[in-house]
Amino acid sequence: EDKVVQSPLSLVVHEGDTVTLNCSYEVTNFRSLLWYKQEKKAPTFLFMLTSSGIEKKSGRLSSILDKKELFSILNITATQTGDSAIYLCASGSSNTGKLIFGQGTTLQVKP
Amino acid sequence: DARVTQTPRHKVTEMGQEVTMRCQPILGHNTVFWYRQTMMQGLELLAYFRNRAPLDDSGMPKDRFSAEMPDATLATLKIQPSEPRDSAVYFCASGLATPRGQPQHFGDGTRLSIL
Repeated sequence: EDKVVQSPLSLVVHEGDTVTLNCSYEVTNFRSLLWYKQEKKAPTFLFMLTSSGIEKKSGRLSSILDKKELFSILNITATQTGDSAIYLCASGSSNTGKLIFGQGTTLQVKP
Repeated sequence: DARVTQTPRHKVTEMGQEVTMRCQPILGHNTVFWYRQTMMQGLELLAYFRNRAPLDDSGMPKDRFSAEMPDATLATLKIQPSEPRDSAVYFCASGLATPRGQPQHFGDGTRLSIL
């Protein structure tokens, strides 16, 4: 059965800290790994990764994929209170086109 | 910015009533997904469509849930009869299916409470 597992499930840090969120996956016919940020409403898209070792970056956020070890990490540097959210990892299969989501990591950034 | 639009945003109703949730996907997207999110189960895929054809509804309780796409601008999810355990946030997402894959974009969700 396809699955995506995220760790940690929750994390509390202080502003300015750097955090690393983890995502491991087991998906038949893997095609892509996606990260979303969910605050009070809809998950919003952050990154989509399809190739190993190529870092994607957006401001203080970056992500990388390791297709050999079947995991991805999301890094946030110099965290701010606005980074507080649930971060969701999802993996897509080329067979079905649908996404399998992990449980999410709840990040709280304290002032 | 193009957005997925869901209505209603909130729905409170009594057990046994029919509930209909609607979704307008982003124009040009050819795949539509329905998800349910709860604290216990996280995000679960209920059903999805490509080019309006249902591809997978294995995540849905078939006896009470139904999903349709009467046209390219409207997807519906119905629950009849509703039960308290259906209380959750229901998200619709749309995307463009390509060989390399494209991200799904989510609507703001319908928060459903069944009393």
